[in-house]
Amino acid sequence: RKEVEQDPGPFNVPEGATVAFNCTYSNSASQSFFWYRQDCRKEPKLLMSVYSSGNEDGRFTAQLNRASQYISLLIRDSKLSDSATYLCVVLTDSWGKLQFGAGTQVVVTP
Amino acid sequence: DADVTQTPRNRITKTGKRIMLECSQTKGHDRMYWYRQDPGLGLRLIYYSFDVKDINKGEISDGYSVSRQAQAKFSLSLESAIPNQTALYFCATSDLPTSGRAADTQYFGPGTRLTVL
Repeated sequence: RKEVEQDPGPFNVPEGATVAFNCTYSNSASQSFFWYRQDCRKEPKLLMSVYSSGNEDGRFTAQLNRASQYISLLIRDSKLSDSATYLCVVLTDSWGKLQFGAGTQVVVTP
Repeated sequence: DADVTQTPRNRITKTGKRIMLECSQTKGHDRMYWYRQDPGLGLRLIYYSFDVKDINKGEISDGYSVSRQAQAKFSLSLESAIPNQTALYFCATSDLPTSGRAADTQYFGPGTRLTVL
């Protein structure tokens, strides 16, 4: 079983709509969680960190469910520029080793 | 100028050749990492370094070696390239975590697309 699992998608979303997707992790001791964004053939970039029960950054909301060991990302009022692959990243080690999910592709259509 | 640079950006080579991928950063970070990315798989850690004198193996270090020539430079070598090392390679850097945080943001270079024939 992979340590971090994501639905690969693609999630096809009309512009202006809301999309949400989850990521599950296997290590119950994991403490920190992140969402990174990766555009096609580009480097990943941090979208947001999830340190407690969840947080919001503009149109993006991340939630953490420790009991069920998943985090979610919700994007409201989707823009064409939100089209990307979203990587779920979990801190599995005390020194900072990160485990990356394979990513969820989101395609926002006009 | 980009904070994390990688050279070359693209490379096609043949089985058995020695290849070196280079990474430089101007962020002043002590921690540097090498990952590879394959379709359908997440980024996998090859090697990491917390400072010039510190080198550690990641989860898939076989067939690779690294050199940390300076705080700003971290090179990845494939001593004898094989086709299953065809992948997208990323270098990343991060700062020491601040108080109360277990990990700091990782900043990635633009990647090197390596093809081994």
